[in-house]
Amino acid sequence: QVTLKESGPVLVKPTETLTLTCTVSGFSLSNARMGVSWIRQPPGKALEWLAHIFSNDEKSYSTSLKSRLTISKDTSKSQVVLTMTNMDPVDTATYYCARTLSGSPNWFDPWGQGTLVTVSS
Amino acid sequence: SYELTQPPSVSVSPGQTARITCSGDALPKQYAYWYQQKPGQAPVLVIYKDSERPSGIPERFSGSSSGTTVTLTISGVQAEDEADYYCQSADSSGTVVFGGGTKLTVL
Repeated sequence: QVTLKESGPVLVKPTETLTLTCTVSGFSLSNARMGVSWIRQPPGKALEWLAHIFSNDEKSYSTSLKSRLTISKDTSKSQVVLTMTNMDPVDTATYYCARTLSGSPNWFDPWGQGTLVTVSS
Repeated sequence: SYELTQPPSVSVSPGQTARITCSGDALPKQYAYWYQQKPGQAPVLVIYKDSERPSGIPERFSGSSSGTTVTLTISGVQAEDEADYYCQSADSSGTVVFGGGTKLTVL
């Protein structure tokens, strides 16, 4: 059974850096054609893709947030880490990680339960 | 920037057929995917590659594609199908895009 679980702070202050960890089980981060993506959802709003990383260390970022995001993985720990710098209240959202299947385009199945991050002073 | 357009809401009575559309210029060249999201829960994939249904998803869920529009059809809607539905695809460069979501209400 494939599962993903997000962890990280529930509250961050404006201008701080957010670090989120996704721990996966049931598949390996070294599997070809599989990776992990981060996707967020502000309260009451739509989903927004942020970044992905694949087994060959291929990385891709949202065009609008590229300057603030870094994604990395530790295959031995089955973990993917996302950092987002210079957090702002508009970044308040539930952050999901999801197993990503390589395709045209990439797609997501399954998703983690999500973690709500609030940005406030 | 590229957008996928969905109706904000669709309402149907139990047992009826619900159709949720998603429009985008790149859809003829990129597959579409559909996710169901119930309140307080993570999204769940219900259709992949325009019309394929993952294992465990009821047969009443189906997908189709025609030109720049893809459609999620739920036949014989049940109360448990009330949820938000999101389409997902990509722009011409392959960057993932989600639609704005459609709230399905079962009357």
